[in-house]
This record gives sequence, structure tokens and C-alpha cells, in this order.
Amino acid sequence: GIQVEQSPPDLILQEGANSTLRCNFSDSVNNLQWFHQNPWGQLINLFYIPSGTKQNGRLSATTVATERYSLLYISSSQTTDSGVYFCAVVPPGGGADGLTFGKGTHLIIQP
Amino acid sequence: NAGVTQTPKFQVLKTGQSMTLQCAQDMNHEYMSWYRQDPGMGLRLIHYSVGAGITDQGEVPNGYNVSRSTTEDFPLRLLSAAPSQTSVYFCASSPHTQSSYNSPLHFGNGTRLTVT
Repeated sequence: GIQVEQSPPDLILQEGANSTLRCNFSDSVNNLQWFHQNPWGQLINLFYIPSGTKQNGRLSATTVATERYSLLYISSSQTTDSGVYFCAVVPPGGGADGLTFGKGTHLIIQP
Repeated sequence: NAGVTQTPKFQVLKTGQSMTLQCAQDMNHEYMSWYRQDPGMGLRLIHYSVGAGITDQGEVPNGYNVSRSTTEDFPLRLLSAAPSQTSVYFCASSPHTQSSYNSPLHFGNGTRLTVT
């Protein structure tokens, strides 16, 4: 099946810093989503972005489907950005209809 | 809208016991799914449904049963719990299948299950 690799696995930053999280995938995809799991365990959908660029406040994401990677940018980090960020994909055609998740990037924002 | 509601939040079972994890959504979503989350492994798909009366297996279906008698509800049944099923379980829904265009997935708050 498709492989999803996220980097870095862990990231510790000071409040106000910017960060870039990366997601590489091993095959073409027709669905790519980014999620934030907060320290209470809730999973929040950040972006549905199989290609192109989207922005939502301090967060933005870019997927270059032809090169099989996606980037999540967080600017002016706040302590509430802490948690685990997951990338998840669906390859086209065949197989179970569901997302394959990466193992996540654990982000800690220190005040 | 309440979104995706899961009950219970926590559950402890003894090996061999059975139980049902409940999931309900009020967004009239066609697609519903169950994932389990284990430390260091991300989330893995257990079962999914693309509409009432239709269910299918995901990556890790063994030991779990599902049914979809209504659009709103998608319960997950453990017939004979095993310690390997200790995990956090998430239910999720979206307007259309995950293979469709523009169908973001919305998660419930999870059920933490411990099997002793």
C-alpha cells in the first residue's frame, strides 16, 4: 500500500516562531488532508488539499502532487498550536475507501 | 449541529467481554468510518460505510463488526475483547466517500478502551 512519511517526528519551538512540516507519499493521491490532534486528543481537520495551496489564518498548506509531497506552514506559533499534526492520503483506484495516515509530527510550542 | 458524537468516552473491559462503541452524526453524511489509534502508529482504518446498508473492511477489521441501519448511526462491536484491542477509537464522517472530490473527514472525540 501507499507509504506516508512525515518529518520531522518531533519539533520544539518558542512562541512566535515559524515552522514547516513535511509529508512525503509514495504514490499518486486524489485526496490529502492535514489534521491537528490537540493535547486533549481531539482531531481537527485543517486542510483538504490534494493539490495546490490553501491558507487559513496563520496556517497554510501546499501540495505538489507531481513530486509527491505536501507542506504545512505555521506562522507566528502560539502555545495552542501544540499537539500532533497528521498528514493522510487516499490513492486513486482500488482498495479500502479510507485515509492512510502518517505517524505524525509532534509539535511543542514553548511560551 | 453536534457533529460526530461518540459514547462512551472511556471503557474498561475484561478479556472475552463484548461491547458496542456508539457513533452518531447529525450532518447527513453518507460516509462513516472507524479508526483506531495506537502509540507511534498513527491511525488505522477498521471499517467504513458509504451509505445506509453498506459496510466494508478497512486495514485492521479482525475482531470488529459494524452495521449501518441508518444514515446517522454507525456502531462498532467487539464480540470478544482481547488485550490487543486496547486503543483509542475514533469515528469519523464526511459528506461523500474519501475517494470523492472535496470530502473532508470530521472526527468524533474518541473512546479510550482498555482490555485487561
